[in-house]
Amino acid sequence: EAGVTQFPSHSVIEKGQTVTLRCDPISGHDNLYWYRRVMGKEIKFLLHFVKESKQDESGMPNNRFLAERTGGTYSTLKVQPAELEDSGVYFCASSRWDRALGETQYFGPGTRLLVL
Amino acid sequence: AQSVTQLGSHVSVSEGALVLLRCNYSSSVPPYLFWYVQYPNQGLQLLLKYTSAATLVKGINGFEAEFKKSETSFHLTKPSAHMSDAAEYFCAVSVRDEKLTFGTGTRLTIIP
Repeated sequence: EAGVTQFPSHSVIEKGQTVTLRCDPISGHDNLYWYRRVMGKEIKFLLHFVKESKQDESGMPNNRFLAERTGGTYSTLKVQPAELEDSGVYFCASSRWDRALGETQYFGPGTRLLVL
Repeated sequence: AQSVTQLGSHVSVSEGALVLLRCNYSSSVPPYLFWYVQYPNQGLQLLLKYTSAATLVKGINGFEAEFKKSETSFHLTKPSAHMSDAAEYFCAVSVRDEKLTFGTGTRLTIIP
């Protein structure tokens, strides 16, 4: 079973530019989460999709961030325009219900974003 | 709202020694508790999860954690450290098995 994949692995952009991050969840996982870790800080929740619907977007920092999950498969997170404070590692996770563990989130390797 | 505190951003232990990484949580409802590990240049990997089925939870790679409600703790232990255990470890809490709230992480260094 392939894991959660994220693209790109690294991105360096200038302030004011646009960047789009992509996440491909594990096949069959209805739940998809985005998280972010700013350097030196904790990993923070951004939003949660159930299939193509936004279940919880309470962690989105501001309206420069736009997440989509068309067709309930892969998801994109667009930052437009990017600011210096958007730098960090963006993680995606997907989950399914398991009899032994309940809902368990499986994480991708992350996208390291640097805004100059 | 829930929160997690990990005591010690850096922990160093000798190879073969006991590993103890501390985690305290705050939650107004019975929580689910997790330990994740991140090896260099990799994503987060689930070590173990507390689901209220048993207070002592065994995970992968010889790690285990004990849920202590009276102390609101979920400390991670391993009897004998191995060089391959060097990584960053994250404690996390969730309610209703949804979004995770993480601690700030503990970087574990193993001394040969």
